[in-house]
Amino acid sequence: KAGVTQTPRYLIKTRGQQVTLSCSPISGHRSVSWYQQTPGQGLQFLFEYFSETQRNKGNFPGRFSGRQFSNSRSEMNVSTLELGDSALYLCASSLQAANPEAFFGQGTRLTVV
Amino acid sequence: KQEVTQIPAALSVPEGENLVLNCSFTDSAIYNLQWFRQDPGKGLTSLLLIQSSQREQTSGRLNASLDKSSGRSTLYIAASQPGDSATYLCAVFDNNDMRFGAGTRLTVKP
Repeated sequence: KAGVTQTPRYLIKTRGQQVTLSCSPISGHRSVSWYQQTPGQGLQFLFEYFSETQRNKGNFPGRFSGRQFSNSRSEMNVSTLELGDSALYLCASSLQAANPEAFFGQGTRLTVV
Repeated sequence: KQEVTQIPAALSVPEGENLVLNCSFTDSAIYNLQWFRQDPGKGLTSLLLIQSSQREQTSGRLNASLDKSSGRSTLYIAASQPGDSATYLCAVFDNNDMRFGAGTRLTVKP
């Protein structure tokens, strides 16, 4: 079956703009988590959605938001982009919210100039 | 707050060598521990998942062990190959989220 699909794969934005990233989980998976990966900070948890509800949120400013649709697809939005938001954004899907085995997409490489 | 540490940060070995990657975590109240592989600029590929009640898991040339009481996991790679070159990340899942180590960058030289 198809894996986790993230779109777009690459994105270049200007400071101050906003961006929306999309993640389609594995069919049947209801949990979607988002992570930011940078060389300096490594992989950091952004938030997790399960059945359209945000279940957990990491330590990121309110400029980072997300949502999940009834078909479990999720979007992540970053407003008022800063240079430091340049990163690889990874989405992971799991069958269930607790004790999950996570499957990751290929990521979206965001560059803010 | 859970902290995950991986040692060494980088490792270079000749082809054919057996090797061990280490992962330690500070809070033993975990649900599972997962080892991933990441190639440059790509997403994470799940290698092995160990539930908190398990001691080890094996897949092909890979064997992962878990010692919850000491907060340690090891990933053993047998007969390493150049195609094994990648960054290996361990992650622990506790009650709330998944926390990752910084990874071990492995280079296997032909």
